Amino acid sequence: LAKTTQPISMDSYEGQEVNITCSHNNIATNDYITWYQQFPSQGPRFIIQGYKTKVTNEVASLFIPADRKSSTLSLPRVSLSDTAVYYCLELGRGGSTLGRLYFGRGTQLTVWP
Amino acid sequence: EADIYQTPRYLVIGTGKKITLECSQTMGHDKMYWYQQDPGMELHLIHYSYGVNSTEKGDLSSESTVSRIRTEHFPLTLESARPSHTSQYLCASSALKKQGNTEAFFGQGTRLTVV
Repeated sequence: LAKTTQPISMDSYEGQEVNITCSHNNIATNDYITWYQQFPSQGPRFIIQGYKTKVTNEVASLFIPADRKSSTLSLPRVSLSDTAVYYCLELGRGGSTLGRLYFGRGTQLTVWP
Repeated sequence: EADIYQTPRYLVIGTGKKITLECSQTMGHDKMYWYQQDPGMELHLIHYSYGVNSTEKGDLSSESTVSRIRTEHFPLTLESARPSHTSQYLCASSALKKQGNTEAFFGQGTRLTVV
């Protein structure tokens, strides 16, 4: 019942920039776009969150167009340690959203040397 | 760093045994969740709680049960473990921030193997 759609897998090489796009056509007005990273046998870890336009932190950038129906996670100069599954979620103050954090299959990013 | 802890980290147990997976958070979050995840597969929500004495089933049917007697504690129990229960169990908690957005934090997970 994931509300978002993203590619199943992506491949990249070390040092390249990686962009992972997520579609969320029915995002609620109050929902924020949130990205998580998960390594094997670990729990997901928060990467970045945004509502509109562009957000940047020490790990990644998040681009959200004006219609907010999609978002793009940008990882600059990836390394082997960035190999992980990346999830896109809608998180907000709505009761149904807060009650059920939906994770889809996510995007398996594999970085090659 | 998130202050949410799960124990044990790994558990191998025989069929028919009763087990309890512990999850505690020190952030004062009202909402807590249990997810089940098989290798390479998506996370499935099996239980969630809005607060003390409030628990509901998730989207994936599970034979496990949960309790929420204290805000910080959300244990999951299997009365009689079976090999089909072998999986990774992840606990999470979340809070609504002043700005209106939500942050959710996960524990490291418990890898359960039933033999």
